[in-house]
Amino acid sequence: EVQLVESGGGLVQPGGSLRLSCAASAFTFSNYWMHWVRQAPGEGPVWVSRITTDGSATTYAGSVKGRFTISRDNANNTLYLQMNSLTAEDTAVYFCARGYSSRPASAFDLWGQGTMVTVSS
Amino acid sequence: DIQMTQSPSSLSASVGDRVTITCRASQIIITYLNWYQQKPGKAPKLLIFAASSLQSGVPSRFSGSGSGTDFTLTISNLQPEDFATYYCQQSYSTPPAFGQGTKVEIK
Repeated sequence: EVQLVESGGGLVQPGGSLRLSCAASAFTFSNYWMHWVRQAPGEGPVWVSRITTDGSATTYAGSVKGRFTISRDNANNTLYLQMNSLTAEDTAVYFCARGYSSRPASAFDLWGQGTMVTVSS
Repeated sequence: DIQMTQSPSSLSASVGDRVTITCRASQIIITYLNWYQQKPGKAPKLLIFAASSLQSGVPSRFSGSGSGTDFTLTISNLQPEDFATYYCQQSYSTPPAFGQGTKVEIK
């Protein structure tokens, strides 16, 4: 089955760090730009970051630039999001999503189930 | 950044109704507009891409139209499984922004 499965979420204190993973299966992961999208409780989705097929280029939303790092391991079909200096405003469900096209902005045609990140003392 | 505004924010409808949701972009995005359906506790699901192209496996009662700044999602013959929240999203430029959502509820 074509799918994305996130892991690594949890409760973290303000200022802390967390690393999310997204395991891809049943499609050629290395052919797709990949993205992270987050959704705070009761809010709409917000794009966070993207990475090109070979990992050579990355882009971030202004709210996370300098704190979050996206990366990928094509040999193991896995996408990552390293999150540092977390604040309460980063509390959300984090989804990994596949870019429908290799455009900097894209539709997202495959989503994971999401992993909850809660930043609280 | 491009802002996306949906209307209405919520609506009540009955099974069999025709429902229309509107999305407006703060600047011209040609037809780089996508629609998603989200049910509680689930990830968004792509319904329509490039303003009017139906994603594979999506029922034909869903349709999209528009270009420039104004877009519409129409659900004809509303079914019980269509009660959900719908989001538009522009894919013209970074960041790829979403609208605030339209919740379709049972009347």
